[in-house]
Amino acid sequence: QKEVEQNSGPLSVPEGAIASLNCTYSDRGSQSFFWYRQYSGKSPELIMFIYSNGDKEDGRFTAQLNKASQYVSLLIRDSQPSDSATYLCAVNEADSWGKLQFGAGTQVVVTP
Amino acid sequence: SQTIHQWPATLVQPVGSPLSLECTVEGTSNPNLYWYRQAAGRGLQLLFYSVGIGQISSEVPQNLSASRPQDRQFILSSKKLLLSDSGFYLCAWRSLREEQFFGPGTRLTVL
Repeated sequence: QKEVEQNSGPLSVPEGAIASLNCTYSDRGSQSFFWYRQYSGKSPELIMFIYSNGDKEDGRFTAQLNKASQYVSLLIRDSQPSDSATYLCAVNEADSWGKLQFGAGTQVVVTP
Repeated sequence: SQTIHQWPATLVQPVGSPLSLECTVEGTSNPNLYWYRQAAGRGLQLLFYSVGIGQISSEVPQNLSASRPQDRQFILSSKKLLLSDSGFYLCAWRSLREEQFFGPGTRLTVL
């Protein structure tokens, strides 16, 4: 059973601080990794993707990937109240028709 | 640019009634399409995916079915809804870089 694990939270973060979200996956063949943000009652929105080991930065977001440890993380710098949402980690299934395995999500609450 | 539509946005149906949810994609050809369900407070469960017209793969045995009558149209159906079918139904398409983009979703409540 291929699995993607995330802490459910809620992760409470003071405004302006760094939010750190973690995700582990079981499929060693996975090559593509995604972070989605989902506001309550809305559909998930892709915010980051990463394919290579190391860090990838996009604005206030940084994705970090370590394939040897089967670990991917998301850092949100200078957290804002608008960052309060559930963040879903998704990992592609190796040798599949582009299927993604999703974690259950981490709820982030940014407090003013 | 690509756009994905779903309708209806919300739906309240009695147990045992039929269901038809529609998803259409604009701005791309021959996309891989996916149906997911998200139960309240839960993660995304892949229900069906399709790599082309008339081709459907089912991930979870259940009383739902899917069809793809046209390249950019994906339909989710049921002949008789169960209470457990309640949830947030999401359609997604896949880009060449394997990113999946979601439609706005249909919130289904079965009473």
